[in-house]
Amino acid sequence: DTAVSQTPKYLVTQMGNDKSIKCEQNLGHDTMYWYKQDSKKFLKIMFSYNNKELIINETVPNRFSPKSPDKAHLNLHINSLELGDSAVYFCASSRHRAGLAGGELVETQYFGPGTRLLVL
Amino acid sequence: DAKTTQPTSMDCAEGRAANLPCNHSTISGNEYVYWYRQIHSQGPQYIIHGLKNNETNEMASLIITEDRKSSTLILPHATLRDTAVYYCIAGRNTGKLIFGQGTTLQVKP
Repeated sequence: DTAVSQTPKYLVTQMGNDKSIKCEQNLGHDTMYWYKQDSKKFLKIMFSYNNKELIINETVPNRFSPKSPDKAHLNLHINSLELGDSAVYFCASSRHRAGLAGGELVETQYFGPGTRLLVL
Repeated sequence: DAKTTQPTSMDCAEGRAANLPCNHSTISGNEYVYWYRQIHSQGPQYIIHGLKNNETNEMASLIITEDRKSSTLILPHATLRDTAVYYCIAGRNTGKLIFGQGTTLQVKP
């Protein structure tokens, strides 16, 4: 069983379209994340949810909207896709929110296989 | 979060120890050192983390200098499957991992 799974694996679409990427984790984790890896291979965090609550929201265009229907799922919806949105998007999860227990508890993040988005 | 500096690339012979350095001279007292790696076309994988003390797990050892300004990740017996980009991250325990360019480790037969 795949711990953190993403669908689709590849997504090719036209500029201006709206698309969604789905993420599911079967680890029983409370916290999930979305990262973006651009063409230069830099990996940047976009969002994080803990038990369906948004806890990290980096400077991301509001065309990107994460949705967490339950703690096992974190989907990423992107409106009006632009060429610059082409990237690999990684979902990740961790058992708990980092910084619990007085900040001592360091949470390992488990990453999915990525979704390769190409906007034409 | 503290800036980290890593060599762009390194080679290692299969079966030998791979020692990957990381400089984090501006690290503050409550910032951890994390190591993740990314094998080609896969998602990043956690390796190890530490605060002050040296750490060892089944994958690697982490040696942190006494002044905490640098650290070394040691893969004791590198295999071809260890070929990957290795990321050293220095930051507070917020869950917000900030990845740099990393070191591309090429393990050669």
